[in-house]
Amino acid sequence: KAGVTQTPRYLIKTRGQQVTLSCSPISGHRSVSWYQQTPGQGLQFLFEYFSETQRNKGNFPGRFSGRQFSNSRSEMNVSTLELGDSALYLCASSLLTSGSSTDTQYFGPGTRLTVL
Amino acid sequence: SQQGEEDPQALSIQEGENATMNCSYKTSINNLQWYRQNSGRGLVHLILIRSNEREKHSGRLRVTLDTSKKSSSLLITASRAADTASYFCATEPNQAGTALIFGKGTTLSVSS
Repeated sequence: KAGVTQTPRYLIKTRGQQVTLSCSPISGHRSVSWYQQTPGQGLQFLFEYFSETQRNKGNFPGRFSGRQFSNSRSEMNVSTLELGDSALYLCASSLLTSGSSTDTQYFGPGTRLTVL
Repeated sequence: SQQGEEDPQALSIQEGENATMNCSYKTSINNLQWYRQNSGRGLVHLILIRSNEREKHSGRLRVTLDTSKKSSSLLITASRAADTASYFCATEPNQAGTALIFGKGTTLSVSS
């Protein structure tokens, strides 16, 4: 099976712009989670989607939003970019078959966003 | 907020030596997972240990979990240069609808 794919891999934007990142989960996975990784804050959970519904949301401002489509592909959008949004954005998919609310996460390679 | 805290933050060893990383967490959990990340790339799942398990093995990896101390350890035996990476523990809190919480990681450097 193909792994989790994320596009684009690298992105450079300027402050005030908006950006949309895309994630295609492993075939059959219905849960998609997004994380922001920075040297200072580490890995921080943004949100999780399951069957097109947001199931969990982290502590990020409303500028960060996401959605999931019927084919489980997901997008996240950041509006009015700030310098501090520069980070590696990671997407992960999971099966959610174990009965646990969170199953093993399979990560994509990430999108490196630089805000100038 | 960070639930898992890895210790040490950085570890340098020679090939063939064992590497031990520790993770402490704050709340009750359903399971604890360990992930590896090679420089600037996505994370790779290594092993998952459930709250009712005490020890688990996978190849050269051995994970222990002590729920009374709210801590876990990851042992990599006979380290190789290819094990050079950052290692993260992630906890699933025992609270409905809560996402995985990652620690800040241990950076392991294995030199030949």
